[in-house]
Amino acid sequence: AQSVTQLDSHVSVSEGTPVLLRCNYSSSYSPSLFWYVQHPNKGLQLLLKYTSAATLVKGINGFEAEFKKSETSFHLTKPSAHMSDAAEYFCVVRAYTGRRALTFGSGTRLQVQP
Amino acid sequence: EPEVTQTPSHQVTQMGQEVILRCVPISNHLYFYWYRQILGQKVEFLVSFYNNEISEKSEIFDDQFSVERPDGSNFTLKIRSTKLEDSAMYFCASSEVSQVSGYGYTFGSGTRLTVV
Repeated sequence: AQSVTQLDSHVSVSEGTPVLLRCNYSSSYSPSLFWYVQHPNKGLQLLLKYTSAATLVKGINGFEAEFKKSETSFHLTKPSAHMSDAAEYFCVVRAYTGRRALTFGSGTRLQVQP
Repeated sequence: EPEVTQTPSHQVTQMGQEVILRCVPISNHLYFYWYRQILGQKVEFLVSFYNNEISEKSEIFDDQFSVERPDGSNFTLKIRSTKLEDSAMYFCASSEVSQVSGYGYTFGSGTRLTVV
């Protein structure tokens, strides 16, 4: 079985400062990992995905995530926050078991202060 | 960029009524999904659909739920007799077949269902 733990339910940063959203996963198999973003009253938009290729994954809007198997982590980072980054972020895992269901974390709400 | 389209964006229904939520997946995708997000809770998997049949479903997806691909483009979720606790945002998604691509899951904007 797989699971995802997002370590912070809420993160607040100032505009122009770095963003770190933490995610740890548990999976019996080599997982695929994703970060999705949800802006208020909007759908889920894919930021980036890890699928067993490069461990450092670059996504849209300047976001990156690094897959660390030894730490079972997939933290999301961005060097400089923008006001438009304020949203809910979900870490998501899918195990290579033939199952296609995605397991979502509980989400981290990112607040960006001017 | 290809999109998954969901209609309606909002639906209000009375308890006990049947509702149908509609989705148009990306045209070359072969797997289709429904997820839901009750307000303040996690996004939860409901069901996946491939080759005109359910390939996987969660414990949430009980007999009151059904899915159908009535034609070559639409994918629907029917809730037979709605309950107050069915109030949620329902997301449709579709994905590619290729494992290498990470399956390319794409989500729609959601239908907010309110049961009164």
